[in-house]
Amino acid sequence: DAGVIQSPRHEVTEMGQEVTLRCKPISGHNSLFWYRQTMMRGLELLIYFNNNVPIDDSGMPEDRFSAKMPNASFSTLKIQPSEPRDSAVYFCASTPQSGHRGRVPTEAFFGQGTRLTVV
Amino acid sequence: AQTVTQSQPEMSVQEAETVTLSCTYDTSESDYYLFWYKQPPSRQMILVIRQEAYKQQNATENRFSVNFQKAAKSFSLKISDSQLGDAAMYFCAYLHPSGNTPLVFGKGTRLSVIA
Repeated sequence: DAGVIQSPRHEVTEMGQEVTLRCKPISGHNSLFWYRQTMMRGLELLIYFNNNVPIDDSGMPEDRFSAKMPNASFSTLKIQPSEPRDSAVYFCASTPQSGHRGRVPTEAFFGQGTRLTVV
Repeated sequence: AQTVTQSQPEMSVQEAETVTLSCTYDTSESDYYLFWYKQPPSRQMILVIRQEAYKQQNATENRFSVNFQKAAKSFSLKISDSQLGDAAMYFCAYLHPSGNTPLVFGKGTRLSVIA
């Protein structure tokens, strides 16, 4: 398996522009998580999905942020308009469904992250 | 809500020596899962070790072992025979027993290995 795939790996954009980050979870995984990592705040959960349904988006900083998961193999995180304070590394992670067929909860598998710089 | 605390922002260790990274957490659950992740400069989050709370035996993975103290809600990571490649950020994480919920992370400890 190729693991969780995120694109792009790096993104530099000007303030006010729209930014779209993409994630392909591991095939068969039912839960998908978006995290943001900064020096000041560490790893913060933004939003997560179970079976393509958003469960908790309370970590989304403000209305400028939105996330979608149109199917089991693809998710996007969009920032519109972007601001310099959005500069961070954004991670996507996925896990298989626990409790299904006796599956024990497992760790999250992370993509390599997208480093976003807003200038 | 569960919280995870790593009280050591930075640590250093001499090559071939042993170092222990601290982690405490807060939860009202009796069953849960704990993890240590390593994040080298490449940014990749790599699972180092996991511990199921219902297991009394401390988990070990080669040079990595944990000291799990359930009553004290403490979960420290010991790295033996430290190598230059161990230099990284280390994150402690908690997972609710239901599983399909997000990991809760500590703020991390940056480990330097001195040759």
